[in-house]
Amino acid sequence: DGGITQSPKYLFRKEGQNVTLSCEQNLNHDAMYWYRQDPGQGLRLIYYSQIVNDFQKGDIAEGYSVSREKKESFPLTVTSAQKNPTAFYLCASHDGVWTEAFFGQGTRLTVV
Amino acid sequence: KQEVTQIPAALSVPEGENLVLNCSFTDSAIYNLQWFRQDPGKGLTSLLLIQSSQREQTSGRLNASLDKSSGRSTLYIAASQPGDSATYLCAVREEYGNKLVFGAGTILRVKS
Repeated sequence: DGGITQSPKYLFRKEGQNVTLSCEQNLNHDAMYWYRQDPGQGLRLIYYSQIVNDFQKGDIAEGYSVSREKKESFPLTVTSAQKNPTAFYLCASHDGVWTEAFFGQGTRLTVV
Repeated sequence: KQEVTQIPAALSVPEGENLVLNCSFTDSAIYNLQWFRQDPGKGLTSLLLIQSSQREQTSGRLNASLDKSSGRSTLYIAASQPGDSATYLCAVREEYGNKLVFGAGTILRVKS
């Protein structure tokens, strides 16, 4: 089945630690996105990539980093510079601006 | 900057009622608008995609309309069921930057 796989489902981070969230898609989509969701708020864009080896900052990129070395993979690193990382993180992809976006099942990150 | 607003923030209705969820956006320079459903702790499921040139889209008991010039969309749910209980999110794809911008969502509860 085609889709987007995010792992892990739950992730715990200690203060000062970097963690990486995985996002893999087998839909052959060029564009991939990372969003953050906080309780009672809509999704906010962290980073997006329209093509391999290229990515752009979204609205809340500070404290995060990404890479896009392969078409199917778009990992997100939450660095120690992100002061309030506890949130639900969602990865998405689409195949051109006229098509619908598909989402993974999300990763819930908690600082302990 | 594009802003997307969803009204109401929460809605509780008895089973069998027809209902309307509202979405408004400030910049009409969009490719399309997409409605999503999100169950607690889960990712987003695409419901309907309306292109900027279209007026409405239908899928089963769902009907979405789009008035691009006035910056409004509605999602009509016919004969609501308890299984429809979820958060409903709308998002517009901007022409500039190709980003998907989300509203904060409407939390729907259908009582049996």
